[in-house]
Amino acid sequence: DSGVTQTPKHLITATGQRVTLRCSPRSGDLSVYWYQQSLDQGLQFLIQYYNGEERAKGNILERFSAQQFPDLHSELNLSSLELGDSALYFCASSAGQGTYEQYFGPGTRLTVT
Amino acid sequence: GQNIDQPTEMTATEGAIVQINCTYQTSGFNGLFWYQQHAGEAPTFLSYNVLDGLEEKGRFSSFLSRSKGYSYLLLKELQMKDSASYLCAVPGGATNKLIFGTGTLLAVQP
Repeated sequence: DSGVTQTPKHLITATGQRVTLRCSPRSGDLSVYWYQQSLDQGLQFLIQYYNGEERAKGNILERFSAQQFPDLHSELNLSSLELGDSALYFCASSAGQGTYEQYFGPGTRLTVT
Repeated sequence: GQNIDQPTEMTATEGAIVQINCTYQTSGFNGLFWYQQHAGEAPTFLSYNVLDGLEEKGRFSSFLSRSKGYSYLLLKELQMKDSASYLCAVPGGATNKLIFGTGTLLAVQP
C-alpha cells in the first residue's frame, strides 16, 4: 500500500459524459501528478500540482482539467468523453519538487462506451 | 526532450538471472527510476540511480552509466511473481514529472 488513495476504482460511462476522478496523496506529500495509461501506450504524464498550484502540463487534452484543494487532495475532471479516453488513470504523489520518488495510487479504470 | 528505449518483451526461467536494459536521451539529467507494474495495478518503486554504478537491493540491482545514457535492472533468483512490466523513467524538466519508457514485459516460466 503506497498510501495514495484513488476513487472510484472503476468507472463506466457513455460518450459525451463528464466524470471526476479523485486522489488523496500520501500524508505530508505536497505534489500530485496525474498519468494516463492506455492499452497501446505507456504511462503518459498529464498534469502536476504542487501545494495547490499547477506546476506542469503534459499531453493533457483541453477537455480535461484538474485542481488541487487546500487539503491537498486532487481531482481530475474529464468531459465530453470519447471512446479513446478509456484508460487507467493513475495519481502519484511525492514529498516536494526536490524529491523525485513518486508513489502511485491504485488507479481508476475508466471505460467509455 | 526526453527519449527512452526498452525491449518490449523478455522471457526468463524461474531461478535464473535476467537483465533488462534501458537507454535514454535527456536534456539535463536528474536520475533514473525503475518501477515494477503488474497488469492492471499501480507501478511500484524499485530503484533510483543518480550516480554511476551498481546499486543492489535484495534480489534486484540497478546500474547506471551517465556517459552512455544507459541503465539496466538486474533480477536474480527469478520467481514467478516477478512476471510483470518493468518501467524505466526519467524526470522531465524542472518539475519532476516522470517520462516513462513503454516498459518491458517480463514473463517468468517454470
